[in-house]
Amino acid sequence: AQKVTQAQTEISVVEKEDVTLDCVYETRDTTYYLFWYKQPPSGELVFLIRRNSFDEQNEISGRYSWNFQKSTSSFNFTITASQVVDSAVYFCALSGPNNAGNMLTFGGGTRLMVKP
Amino acid sequence: DGGITQSPKYLFRKEGQNVTLSCEQNLNHDAMYWYRQDPGQGLRLIYYSQIVNDFQKGDIAEGYSVSREKKESFPLTVTSAQKNPTAFYLCASSIAGTTNEQFFGPGTRLTVL
Repeated sequence: AQKVTQAQTEISVVEKEDVTLDCVYETRDTTYYLFWYKQPPSGELVFLIRRNSFDEQNEISGRYSWNFQKSTSSFNFTITASQVVDSAVYFCALSGPNNAGNMLTFGGGTRLMVKP
Repeated sequence: DGGITQSPKYLFRKEGQNVTLSCEQNLNHDAMYWYRQDPGQGLRLIYYSQIVNDFQKGDIAEGYSVSREKKESFPLTVTSAQKNPTAFYLCASSIAGTTNEQFFGPGTRLTVL
């Protein structure tokens, strides 16, 4: 069975601080895909990144960066110089080839509050 | 603009009534999904469909039903058998296959009084 754990339920930072959101996953698949989504107060989930299990290179996109480590089954997300607009709930998700229908297993989410 | 629409944004129903939530996409995606989100929790899969006229139960299908008569549309009916229907419902779609990200609609917040 697949499982995604986001141990941090809520994080509060002051604007311009760096913040890291943790994601730990469990799977028996050797090929799998990891995702991060952002859910702003409006409710719609916004896709941020997809990473496959064979690509452990870290990725940077503007103020966002992702650290994928298979050895610790983690796919952590860092926001550098946080801004108030980053306030949202962030979800980590997992899918694999044995998931019929491309089903995603979501973590419980981390609510990030960035204060001015 | 391509995307996913869900209507209505807010929905109120009396206990014991069936209610149907709409989901339409113009992304030409084969796969569509329904998720339920409860306060402070992650998303749980209700039903998904990989192709027209076919759909599969997700983790929490009891008390729900769906249809997929058209590629663009995947309506969800919350029946009176669903014991705790008040929640936020999200529809998503994707290109078929496990490598592809899902795109989400804006959601419908259902409140059963």
